[in-house]
Amino acid sequence: KNEVEQSPQNLTAQEGEFITINCSYSVGISALHWLQQHPGGGIVSLFMLSSGKKKHGRLIATINIQEKHSSLHITASHPRDSAVYICAVRETSGSRLTFGEGTQLTVNP
Amino acid sequence: DGGITQSPKYLFRKEGQNVTLSCEQNLNHDAMYWYRQDPGQGLRLIYYSQIVNDFQKGDIAEGYSVSREKKESFPLTVTSAQKNPTAFYLCASSIAGANYGYTFGSGTRLTVV
Repeated sequence: KNEVEQSPQNLTAQEGEFITINCSYSVGISALHWLQQHPGGGIVSLFMLSSGKKKHGRLIATINIQEKHSSLHITASHPRDSAVYICAVRETSGSRLTFGEGTQLTVNP
Repeated sequence: DGGITQSPKYLFRKEGQNVTLSCEQNLNHDAMYWYRQDPGQGLRLIYYSQIVNDFQKGDIAEGYSVSREKKESFPLTVTSAQKNPTAFYLCASSIAGANYGYTFGSGTRLTVV
């Protein structure tokens, strides 16, 4: 079992829909990251969370430390949101990141 | 603007040849990392360095080597001992020893033929 599990693996939505991507982890963490990877391959850091909720534009990230679960929400989705979204955790025992396998999101016009 | 530069974006090599991937950052970050990405798998850590002239093996270091002679640079050599070198390689950096975010490069896609 992976230490970081994401669901769903693939998600197709229509433009304007509200989207949720989930991340569960099994280790103690000091922070959780949400990353975005576009088809060209480069990765952009969206959020770093250690508690609560963060919002940036149409993106919202939440984390529940007790339940070891985080969600990434996209409101009013747009085709340009199409990308792979990756959850990664930084364990309390070290400085390394452990990554989920990613969620491929496709938003159709 | 500060950031990480990986070069080249695409690289083709013949089987049995060593190849070096470049990673340079001007963020004054102490820590640098190399990850490998294969289809359907999460990123896996190859090597990391938290300070100049020091580095540690990650989860899949076999067949790879690194150096950290300068704070700004962390080149990765894929040697002929790496059995399946064709992959997408990502470099990242962060401020070491604290809970800071990471900055990622744009990656190098290596194809060995």
